[in-house]
Parts: sequence; structure tokens; C-alpha cells
Amino acid sequence: EPEVTQTPSHQVTQMGQEVILRCVPISNHLYFYWYRQILGQKVEFLVSFYNNEISEKSEIFDDQFSVERPDGSNFTLKIRSTKLEDSAMYFCASSDPRGNSYEQYFGPGTRLTVT
Amino acid sequence: AQSVTQLGSHVSVSEGALVLLRCNYSSSVPPYLFWYVQYPNQGLQLLLKYTTGATLVKGINGFEAEFKKSETSFHLTKPSAHMSDAAEYFCAVSPGGGFKTIFGAGTRLFVKA
Repeated sequence: EPEVTQTPSHQVTQMGQEVILRCVPISNHLYFYWYRQILGQKVEFLVSFYNNEISEKSEIFDDQFSVERPDGSNFTLKIRSTKLEDSAMYFCASSDPRGNSYEQYFGPGTRLTVT
Repeated sequence: AQSVTQLGSHVSVSEGALVLLRCNYSSSVPPYLFWYVQYPNQGLQLLLKYTTGATLVKGINGFEAEFKKSETSFHLTKPSAHMSDAAEYFCAVSPGGGFKTIFGAGTRLFVKA
């Protein structure tokens, strides 16, 4: 069964450094998303991406964040200058709104630790 | 706008007992509803979903949920709890298409031997 993959599984970085989290969505999907989950809290929407542009973003997704689909398979989340409060699990997801599933398929997550 | 409320941040049941995890939602459009399970230090696994059609939906691991529009609820049940069911459970709502999914705060299920 096709699945969303994410790399790395765990990233440790120092405050102020840039990080790039990588995702490979399911190949025929059209919508891509990033969510985050701070330890012990609920999953929060960050951004959705369709047709090579952001379709929706939350108030969390400020100028420090950016997303990109650099090629036909990868989808990345960049944090320009990490803060301690960026420490969280980051989930990538993808969906294919054609058809009737309406389901977003989630990757296993990248745990980001900012020290 | 959509929102999700999960009643009870922690639920404890004995092995073999009924599991009931409560979820209420609000949505300005017909909702698509989901339950996800998260085991410690792992990702999100879809348990079941309601999109259209039959309001009682069955999922994996013996779980099921019923969509009740009049009560704006989508409670998750399992007739007999197993130790392996101990995890965090998230109810979620989406208007479908390419829109974001809104998650509830989660309910941690404890199963006692």
C-alpha cells in the first residue's frame, strides 16, 4: 500500500539554525500538508499546498516557515531560524480529492528538537 | 468553521470492558469525520472515517463510530477493550477536498488488567 514517508525521523538543531524537513507524498496525490504536534498537545494544521502554491495556512505559519515542492516527488518544510518553541513532531500528509476518500494520509513524522 | 471537542482527556477502562470515547464537532458544511490512534512516539494511524452514507462506520481493531447529525457527535466505541488499545485517540473533522483537518485535543485511553 502506498504511504507517505518523511526524513529524517529525528532532527536535533541549535536555536537560530535553519532546518529542512522532507516528505515524499503518495505519488498521485495533489494536495500536500504540514501539521505539527508539540509534545503532549494536539495536532495543529500549519499549511496546505496545491498546484505549486500555498492554498491555506494557519497563524502559526509565519515568515520563518516556507514550503516547497522542488521536484515531482518531494515536499519540504523549511524553518529559517529555529526557536525553542519549534520543538515538536512535524507530520506531512497528502490527499487526492478526486474520488470519494477525502482522507489525508499521514507520514510517520519528524521529531524536531531545538536546543 | 470547523471545531472538535473531545470529552475527557483521560479514560480508563478494565480489559474486556466497553470503550467509549466521546467526540462532538461543529461544522458549517457537511463534515467528514475521522478517528486516529497514536501510539507512543509514533505517527497517526487512521482508525475509521465517515464521509457519506451509512452513519455507523466500522474501523480497524474492532472499533466503530456512529455519526449522529442531530447531536453533532461521532463517538468511538469498542465492545471489549484489549491491553493493546492503550494509546492516544484523536477525533478530527474536515470539510473534505483539499481543506485542512481539525483535530481534537485527544483522549488518552488506559486499559487496566
